[in-house]
Amino acid sequence: NAGVTQTPKFRVLKTGQSMTLLCAQDMNHEYMYWYRQDPGMGLRLIHYSVGEGTTAKGEVPDGYNVSRLKKQNFLLGLESAAPSQTSVYFCASSYSFGRSISYEQYFGPGTRLTVT
Amino acid sequence: SQQGEEDPQALSIQEGENATMNCSYKTSINNLQWYRQNSGRGLVHLILIRSNEREKHSGRLRVTLDTSKKSSSLLITASRAADTASYFCATPPNNAGNMLTFGGGTRLMVKP
Repeated sequence: NAGVTQTPKFRVLKTGQSMTLLCAQDMNHEYMYWYRQDPGMGLRLIHYSVGEGTTAKGEVPDGYNVSRLKKQNFLLGLESAAPSQTSVYFCASSYSFGRSISYEQYFGPGTRLTVT
Repeated sequence: SQQGEEDPQALSIQEGENATMNCSYKTSINNLQWYRQNSGRGLVHLILIRSNEREKHSGRLRVTLDTSKKSSSLLITASRAADTASYFCATPPNNAGNMLTFGGGTRLMVKP
């Protein structure tokens, strides 16, 4: 199993450009998440999905959009990149056996994005 | 806002020593998780402790949970240079199922 993979690994954008980050998981997980991590800080949740065709906002959703057209893929889009979106982006996935139960999350290797 | 806060922010020890990291959180939880992040990598799950557990072991890791104080500790015994990493605690905000809120992390350096 590849686990959780992310593409690309690195990207440099100019202000105003757009891009899509792709996350794929081969563990048949229902839940998928997008986080951002800024230097010296923990992770902050951008958007998440509880199943194919569903998405929801996390803690810092502004400036981002997501789509979950297939269960194994979760896409994060930046429509008009800003320098404040310079960060490392992590995708994660987890099982779901009930809304009140937490399970471990499996993380991808990250995408380092710089917006100039 | 961060649910969990780790302490200390940074810790430097010699190989063979024990490392203790603490996590405090704000609201009631049904579980608390610890993750490790090596430099430039994604997070890796270490251990999950449920609210009805007080202590849990996994290899050289020992996690305690004190729900009355809203705090947890992670102890790494007989540390190795390979344990050098950042360690994060994570809790479900408002017990919201599969969601997790991460603290700012403790950066551990183990010197050979």
